[in-house]
Amino acid sequence: ILNVEQSPQSLHVQEGDSTNFTCSFPSSNFYALHWYRWETAKSPEALFVMTLNGDEKKKGRISATLNTKEGYSYLYIKGSQPEDSATYLCALNSTGNQFYFGTGTSLTVIP
Amino acid sequence: DTGVSQDPRHKITKRGQNVTFRCDPISEHNRLYWYRQTLGQGPEFLTYFQNEAQLEKSRLLSDRFSAERPKGSFSTLEIQRTEQGDSAMYLCASSLELVNYGYTFGSGTRLTVV
Repeated sequence: ILNVEQSPQSLHVQEGDSTNFTCSFPSSNFYALHWYRWETAKSPEALFVMTLNGDEKKKGRISATLNTKEGYSYLYIKGSQPEDSATYLCALNSTGNQFYFGTGTSLTVIP
Repeated sequence: DTGVSQDPRHKITKRGQNVTFRCDPISEHNRLYWYRQTLGQGPEFLTYFQNEAQLEKSRLLSDRFSAERPKGSFSTLEIQRTEQGDSAMYLCASSLELVNYGYTFGSGTRLTVV
């Protein structure tokens, strides 16, 4: 079992603030890192799939970076909106067959 | 194709009863996965299928759990003699063989054992 850690566990920000979370993982046997957004009562939604050291991905106001050598990824949200409120999960894929999920960061954006 | 669907959305059962959940993946996805999420934890891998073959099972999947994907399409997860510790969200996901495409998840089945 691979230990994937996310911090902080929860976060409350004001609308318009920018924020970021961290996902830490063992750097050995890295294959891919995935970010998901999970809104209450919905299914987790894939945000990014990152495979290469130094990868930077962007989707609207959300972006992510990857450092496979030191074993971390950052997710950034610029100008948070209430609709960004969700749990953000990262998942490490090291064997190609299963993912190891972190416990998630719960984001609440206060209007 | 409307994505991955799971049925039922919620299930309340008495301890000792058997329950069965169903997952219908995206039709062109040949891989299907079951995960379980308990309170305060991230999803934990249970098992996965490539077409109809069950290729990997977690140690979390005790003898009371069985999963099938008989024709390589929908899958069922059965829990026999449920225990209170089985209370969790059971998530199904499907993907193409190249996992770099990521998973498409269903909305999950929330099981409560009373």
